[in-house]
Amino acid sequence: EVRLVESGGGLVKPGGSLRLSCTASGLTFSSYNMNWVRQAPGKGLEWVSSISSTSRYIYYAESLEGRFTSSRDNAKNSLYLQMNSLRVEDTAVYYCARDLKPRNPCSGSSCNPEFDYWGQGILVTVSS
Amino acid sequence: EIVLTQSPATLSLSPGERATLSCRASQSVSSFLAWYQQKPGQAPRLLVYDASNRAAGIPARFSGSGSGTDFTLTISSLEVEDFAVYYCQQRSNWPLTFGGGTKVEI
Repeated sequence: EVRLVESGGGLVKPGGSLRLSCTASGLTFSSYNMNWVRQAPGKGLEWVSSISSTSRYIYYAESLEGRFTSSRDNAKNSLYLQMNSLRVEDTAVYYCARDLKPRNPCSGSSCNPEFDYWGQGILVTVSS
Repeated sequence: EIVLTQSPATLSLSPGERATLSCRASQSVSSFLAWYQQKPGQAPRLLVYDASNRAAGIPARFSGSGSGTDFTLTISSLEVEDFAVYYCQQRSNWPLTFGGGTKVEI
């Protein structure tokens, strides 16, 4: 059974930093692109970041303006999101999500992810 | 950025009725579109990928269609557990984007 568990959330002041972790089990973690998606309270889903299986390709939402950094450690079956210069508008539940399929080999848009397994989500609250 | 517009925002139906949800893209996404269901307090669940392929374990009453800019998710006969919010998502271009959601309510 595939399981994704987020940790590291909590309350932080504007301008502060947090590091989220997502620990995976029940899958060959190193074969899959991994992703972060967030949801502000009462709002819709917003894609945050995607990282390829080997960390060669990393993509971010433009709204983050370079404040967040995704990384992964395949030896530890773990995904990370380093969040710096946090703003009130970053308040959200953050989900890690696995890509539907291993994407090697692929080309163009066929390499891009959709999300089949999701963690339970972790709340990040940015408030003074 | 590709904008996905979902309609209607809210769909009020009864169990046993047919639900038709729309997702329109601001430019062609070919067939690179997925649909998700989300219930309160839960993570989203993948229903359909690549416009018309049901994900594993998804009941046959859910079906997706469309290509290019216009897509539809159909629930042929609503069950009580289908009342939820539904999102579309495109993976044609970066940044990946979601639609604003359609709430299916009783």
